[in-house]
Amino acid sequence: ETGVTQSPTHLIKTRGQQVTLRCSSQSGHNTVSWYQQALGQGPQFIFQYYREEENGRGNFPPRFSGLQFPNYSSELNVNALELDDSALYLCASSLNGLLGKNIQYFGAGTRLSVL
Amino acid sequence: AQSVTQPDIHITVSEGASLELRCNYSYGATPYLFWYVQSPGQGLQLLLKYFSGDTLVQGIKGFEAEFKRSQSSFNLRKPSVHWSDAAEYFCAVGGGGNKLTFGTGTQLKVEL
Repeated sequence: ETGVTQSPTHLIKTRGQQVTLRCSSQSGHNTVSWYQQALGQGPQFIFQYYREEENGRGNFPPRFSGLQFPNYSSELNVNALELDDSALYLCASSLNGLLGKNIQYFGAGTRLSVL
Repeated sequence: AQSVTQPDIHITVSEGASLELRCNYSYGATPYLFWYVQSPGQGLQLLLKYFSGDTLVQGIKGFEAEFKRSQSSFNLRKPSVHWSDAAEYFCAVGGGGNKLTFGTGTQLKVEL
C-alpha cells in the first residue's frame, strides 16, 4: 500500500464527453504526477503538479488539464474525449527534495473506457 | 531526449530458476533509475531505485539491479524466482524530480 488513492476505479464515457479523475497523495508528499498507460504499453507522462503549479508537461494536448489543491490532492480533467483516450490513468505522489532525488509512489489507477 | 528500452517483451522461467530482465536507457546526464512491478489491474510498485553511489542496488522481494554506465544498462536480477513474481516489470529513467520515462515492460511468466 502506497497511501495514494485514486477514484473512481473504473469509468465508461462516450466520445466527446468530459471526465474528471481524482487522486489523493500520500501523507507528507507535495507533488503529484499523472501518467497514461495504454494497453500493452508503459506509462506515459502527462504532467506534474508541485505546490499547486504545473511543473512539467509531456506530449499531451491542452484538452488534458489538471489541478492541485492546497492539501496536495489532484484532479486530471480530459475534455472532448477520443477513443484513443481509453487507458489506465495513474497518479503518483512524491516529495520534491534535494537534487530531484524523488521517488514516485503510484496509486492503483483509474481505468477509463471511451465508447 | 530520455528513453528506455526493454528488449524482452515476454520471458518465461521455471520456479526456482534465476532471472535477469534487461533495461537500456538513454539520458543526457547522470540518470536516476527505477524498476517497478505491476500485477494485473494494479498500479506500479517500486522494487528498487538507483540515484548514485554503489552500482549494485538491493530492492524488495529479493530483487537487485546493477547500474553499468558504460553499457547504459540497469538490469534487474533475482537468484530464485517464485510463482508470485509473475507480473509485468517496468524500467524507468528520470532526473530532476520531474517526469519518469518508462520502457514498454517485460511480462514475466513463471512455470511451476
